[in-house]
Amino acid sequence: GEDVEQSLFLSVREGDSSVINCTYTDSSSTYLYWYKQEPGAGLQLLTYIFSNMDMKQDQRLTVLLNKKDKHLSLRIADTQTGDSAIYFCAESPSYNTDKLIFGTGTRLQVFP
Amino acid sequence: DVKVTQSSRYLVKRTGEKVFLECVQDMDHENMFWYRQDPGLGLRLIYFSYDVKMKEKGDIPEGYSVSREKKERFSLILESASTNQTSMYLCASSLWDRGRGEQYFGPGTRLTVT
Repeated sequence: GEDVEQSLFLSVREGDSSVINCTYTDSSSTYLYWYKQEPGAGLQLLTYIFSNMDMKQDQRLTVLLNKKDKHLSLRIADTQTGDSAIYFCAESPSYNTDKLIFGTGTRLQVFP
Repeated sequence: DVKVTQSSRYLVKRTGEKVFLECVQDMDHENMFWYRQDPGLGLRLIYFSYDVKMKEKGDIPEGYSVSREKKERFSLILESASTNQTSMYLCASSLWDRGRGEQYFGPGTRLTVT
């Protein structure tokens, strides 16, 4: 079955890099996503990567995809207090559906 | 900007009541979704609709039903609320885009069943 796993908590000091990890089980996934949920709000798309890519960089965000190990990571450079949120990875299992399978979410806490 | 609105931010209901959660999107999206969010469990899909009057069960449909009479509106119905349905409910919408459609989320409804 499909399952997307993340560690529940991550705590980093302001200015350091954060790395949030995700493992998924469906090797046929087409796109993989990172969503951010700020307190009291819904989820918002941060970035996504197509399954034939290894890496994608977008300003402070770097996404790495290891298809062999079914491992996805999100690196946030120069982490700020405004980055404190819950981060969800998600996979799109096929071209025939727009359903996503979400991970458990990682709560990132940034301290001064 | 895409806007997804949900009828209530907070709701308190009694066990056995019928509960309606409403979601409206203003971007003419084909797909609409209802999730529940629980700590440590992430988002779990309750129901999905890919067109008016069309619906598909998600991972946890038991105890819920949905209605989509108009493209912009997707309602989640708890026929007889129970305490284990206390949760955060999130609605989302997306364009049909062969697996690439970004989902846009509403702010959520925190439902407490007492």
